[in-house]
Amino acid sequence: NAGVTQTPKFRVLKTGQSMTLLCAQDMNHEYMYWYRQDPGMGLRLIHYSVGEGTTAKGEVPDGYNVSRLKKQNFLLGLESAAPSQTSVYFCASSYPDRKSSYNEQFFGPGTRLTVL
Amino acid sequence: KNQVEQSPQSLIILEGKNCTLQCNYTVSPFSNLRWYKQDTGRGPVSLTIMTFSENTKSNGRYTATLDADTKQSSLHITASQLSDSASYICVVIPGYSSASKIIFGSGTRLSIRP
Repeated sequence: NAGVTQTPKFRVLKTGQSMTLLCAQDMNHEYMYWYRQDPGMGLRLIHYSVGEGTTAKGEVPDGYNVSRLKKQNFLLGLESAAPSQTSVYFCASSYPDRKSSYNEQFFGPGTRLTVL
Repeated sequence: KNQVEQSPQSLIILEGKNCTLQCNYTVSPFSNLRWYKQDTGRGPVSLTIMTFSENTKSNGRYTATLDADTKQSSLHITASQLSDSASYICVVIPGYSSASKIIFGSGTRLSIRP
């Protein structure tokens, strides 16, 4: 199993450009998440999905959109990139264990995005 | 506001020595607490998961402790190795357990010197 994979690994954009980050998981997980990680801060939730066809906003959703057309894929889009979106983006997935609420998350390797 | 604070921010120790990382949280109610290891350029990987009723959990040379009364957790690393150089992140899941409410600490960056 590949687990959680992300493409691309690195990307440089100019202000105003758009791009899509792809996350894929092969663990049949229901839940998927997009986080950003900035220096000195904890991971912050951008958007998440609790199942195919559903998405919801997290803590910092502005400037991002997401789609979950297939259970195994979760796409993060930047419509008009800004320098404030320079960050490392992590995708995660989990299978909700409703008995124990463990809900362990598995993370991808990250995408390092620079917006000039 | 629910928060997770970790200390120290960074730590350097010699190979073979032990160390302890701290996590204080204000999350209430509380469901479970996790420690993750994040190698440079990689995603976080789970080390331990503890519910509010557990007060210790081990994973090899890593031992996590939890005091739900004082809202403190620690991660103890025994006989450190160069491969332990990484960031260690404390994560708290509130008792009302929503996918959007997981709270991440900012991490402790640990460097092991030969």
